[in-house]
Amino acid sequence: DQQVKQNSPSLSVQEGRISILNCDYTNSMFDYFLWYKKYPAEGPTFLISISSIKDKNEDGRFTVFLNKSAKHLSLHIVPSQPGDSAVYFCAAGTNFGNEKLTFGTGTRLTIIP
Amino acid sequence: DSGVTQTPKHLITATGQRVTLRCSPRSGDLSVYWYQQSLDQGLQFLIQYYNGEERAKGNILERFSAQQFPDLHSELNLSSLELGDSALYFCASSVIRGSSEAFFGQGTRLTVV
Repeated sequence: DQQVKQNSPSLSVQEGRISILNCDYTNSMFDYFLWYKKYPAEGPTFLISISSIKDKNEDGRFTVFLNKSAKHLSLHIVPSQPGDSAVYFCAAGTNFGNEKLTFGTGTRLTIIP
Repeated sequence: DSGVTQTPKHLITATGQRVTLRCSPRSGDLSVYWYQQSLDQGLQFLIQYYNGEERAKGNILERFSAQQFPDLHSELNLSSLELGDSALYFCASSVIRGSSEAFFGQGTRLTVV
């Protein structure tokens, strides 16, 4: 049972435009959400997170939006840069009980110069 | 550099064999997590240790086991290896239980032939 889903395996965006990566979850117990970025031959690196008490968190070019009623979150990258080309993983966790993060299958983002 | 060290980086072994993957967490981090990433799959949670004790278990096979030592490094033991065990194995660490951010090592790529 895939509790965190990233339905788009890949996405191509023109440099300078907005990249929007989507993630859906099924477990209503999740109360914080994260995005990780992964380059080939490297481990995932933390990008941005959001708690379930918020609906938006911004960090520079990166903004994460959370829609709890729809169990959906998205990552916006504006403007997209060639260095943003990577695989992006959405992850979810709970602050109480199980402390592990549950990851989606990832979306490969390619920024076209 | 995340501060999490995994050894070896690459491992090639035959079916039926046993291997040990090692992880040194960031200095001060008490929680260690192991994840498996198979081809085109997301990060599957295997197991978590906190300060030497097992805290959470995911989809870890009975042929796999792990432990965290007093110096907080962790080892993941994989035995009776099968072709399907070929994957990237990541270790991550975080400061406290329930921390929202985990730092990942570069992974160990295991190839079973």
